[in-house]
Amino acid sequence: EIVMTQSPATLSVSPGERATLSCRASQSVSSNLAWYQQKPGQAPRLLIYGASTRATGIPARFSGSGSGTEFTLTISSLQSEDFAVYYCQQYNNWPPRFGPGTKVDIK
Amino acid sequence: EVQLVESGGGLVQPGGSLRLSCAASGFTFSSYEMNWVRQAPGKGLEWVSYISSSGSTIYYADSVKGRFTISRDNAKNSLYLQMNSLRAEDTAVYYCARVAPTPGSSGYYYSDDYWGQGTLVTVSS
Repeated sequence: EIVMTQSPATLSVSPGERATLSCRASQSVSSNLAWYQQKPGQAPRLLIYGASTRATGIPARFSGSGSGTEFTLTISSLQSEDFAVYYCQQYNNWPPRFGPGTKVDIK
Repeated sequence: EVQLVESGGGLVQPGGSLRLSCAASGFTFSSYEMNWVRQAPGKGLEWVSYISSSGSTIYYADSVKGRFTISRDNAKNSLYLQMNSLRAEDTAVYYCARVAPTPGSSGYYYSDDYWGQGTLVTVSS
């Protein structure tokens, strides 16, 4: 089974700053990698699929990159509504495991 | 508008059973694969089970294999999760999610594009 790791566990960022989140797979998942955002008390929301394609309605400040085992989610200029937990998920092999998440909080 | 609405959660004793339902609307349910994903209190997301659009292919996480059964009724636009022999560690919010395959440069890319609001299952005596 593929194991997903994310770093850092917590990222403290000021509004307007750039945030860079990392996700690593224990073996190649090609580009079959998705990113989700989850706010307290809410269901996860799909941000990115195919490692770099924004889902419908997702602002351009969110971007994804990477392939194989190393992936990055970048939020170019953090808005107040972006403070949340972010999860990556691989879908290249079963089971479609999630990473442990990165919490982005206000600095 | 795509909507997924879970129901059936609640408090159950260890060893007990519950049946979760997920009512789908706003899309052609019979054309989509579906997942159940859970989240224990204060923890991350854990994939639980998958069912193909026809119901012919099913997968389970090792943690629930032999105890949980996923099923669907395409005529009723509904997804189900029968949970038996429940344990304290099954306590979680359970989400149903639609699987979205998208054509990519080398095959299909998958993601869970729509999620329900979740239903809380608490296993405790």
